[in-house]
Amino acid sequence: GQQVMQIPQYQHVQEGEDFTTYCNSSTTLSNIQWYKQRPGGHPVFLIQLVKSGEVKKQKRLTFQFGEAKKNSSLHITATQTTDVGTYFCAGPRGSTLGRLYFGRGTQLTVWP
Amino acid sequence: EPEVTQTPSHQVTQMGQEVILRCVPISNHLYFYWYRQILGQKVEFLVSFYNNEISEKSEIFDDQFSVERPDGSNFTLKIRSTKLEDSAMYFCASGPSQPQHFGDGTRLSIL
Repeated sequence: GQQVMQIPQYQHVQEGEDFTTYCNSSTTLSNIQWYKQRPGGHPVFLIQLVKSGEVKKQKRLTFQFGEAKKNSSLHITATQTTDVGTYFCAGPRGSTLGRLYFGRGTQLTVWP
Repeated sequence: EPEVTQTPSHQVTQMGQEVILRCVPISNHLYFYWYRQILGQKVEFLVSFYNNEISEKSEIFDDQFSVERPDGSNFTLKIRSTKLEDSAMYFCASGPSQPQHFGDGTRLSIL
């Protein structure tokens, strides 16, 4: 079945350092979505990537979707303490209307 | 900005009892979902609902689970005869199709 793998599971960085999380799917995705979940909170939608090779930026966050639409990455430049949380990638298999398959997430800790 | 709202925020129930988790999706969305997240684990899909019927369900969504859209605004998840392993955060989500927007969740604790 569909599997979405995400690494690393945990990342601890000093404030100001960069951070990257990687997401790989066992099957081609029609799109990939990234969510952030603060401790005790709910997944908050960050961005959706649809096109092969797409790159999108949100301030210090850069999102990439691989050429084969099976992998993606999120890079945060110069982390801040407000970046703390778990970052999940998720994608539907096939149809854009389908269930989301979530990765296990990368839990980011930022030390001041 | 419109939000998905869920009630209650926390539900404590004795094993074997029935619970109903409620959700009000974003008003112009047509696709509704339930997910759950066991503490420390990833978010898992339960069921999707479109055009007043279930469009997809996972292996987790067995006969003890049911969903309903009783009126034009609410979307409910019923769990009959709860088990200890049903303890989790339950998230409702809605969307135009993609992306999906999540509610704050209901923490379900089964004693």
